[in-house]
Amino acid sequence: QKEVEQDPGPLSVPEGAIVSLNCTYSNSAFQYFMWYRQYSRKGPELLMYTYSSGNKEDGRFTAQVDKSSKYISLFIRDSQPSDSATYLCAMSVALRGNNRLAFGKGNQVVVIP
Amino acid sequence: DGGITQSPKYLFRKEGQNVTLSCEQNLNHDAMYWYRQDPGQGLRLIYYSQIVNDFQKGDIAEGYSVSREKKESFPLTVTSAQKNPTAFYLCASARDRDQPQHFGDGTRLSIL
Repeated sequence: QKEVEQDPGPLSVPEGAIVSLNCTYSNSAFQYFMWYRQYSRKGPELLMYTYSSGNKEDGRFTAQVDKSSKYISLFIRDSQPSDSATYLCAMSVALRGNNRLAFGKGNQVVVIP
Repeated sequence: DGGITQSPKYLFRKEGQNVTLSCEQNLNHDAMYWYRQDPGQGLRLIYYSQIVNDFQKGDIAEGYSVSREKKESFPLTVTSAQKNPTAFYLCASARDRDQPQHFGDGTRLSIL
């Protein structure tokens, strides 16, 4: 079983719809959870960063962590064509220490105008 | 502007040749990382460094080498021993071990 599982998609949605992305993981020691957005031919850009369980909201983006189910989600409200990108989940046991991240493979999202 | 600069954007390697990818950051970050990204495989860690003059192997270090002589610079050399070097290479840095990583815009390496 891979450490982090993420459905690669692609996921196509009409403009204005809610985009729902998720990752599952196997290592119960993960405590820090991140979502990155990557445009074509660019590096990943940090979108959301959460610690432990619960929700975090930033504008149109909401990140959820359910440690009991080993499941994290990213929701994008009122999606725009500019949200078309690949979204990567990442997680680490602790940011102290060597800060090694485990990444999902990325989920491609296409928002259709 | 503060950020992470990777150069060149595109690089071509001939058989038997070593090539070096540059990564410079002006964010005053202590930790720096090199990843390789292949289609369908996600990001894999090659090397990382938490402090000047110290670095550690990641999950796929064979055929690669690094140095960390200055805080702001962490160059990656792809040696001729790396038999499948074609990939998108990403450099990242973090302020310290408590902070998430931020990425440069990558170097795409291809074989001639």
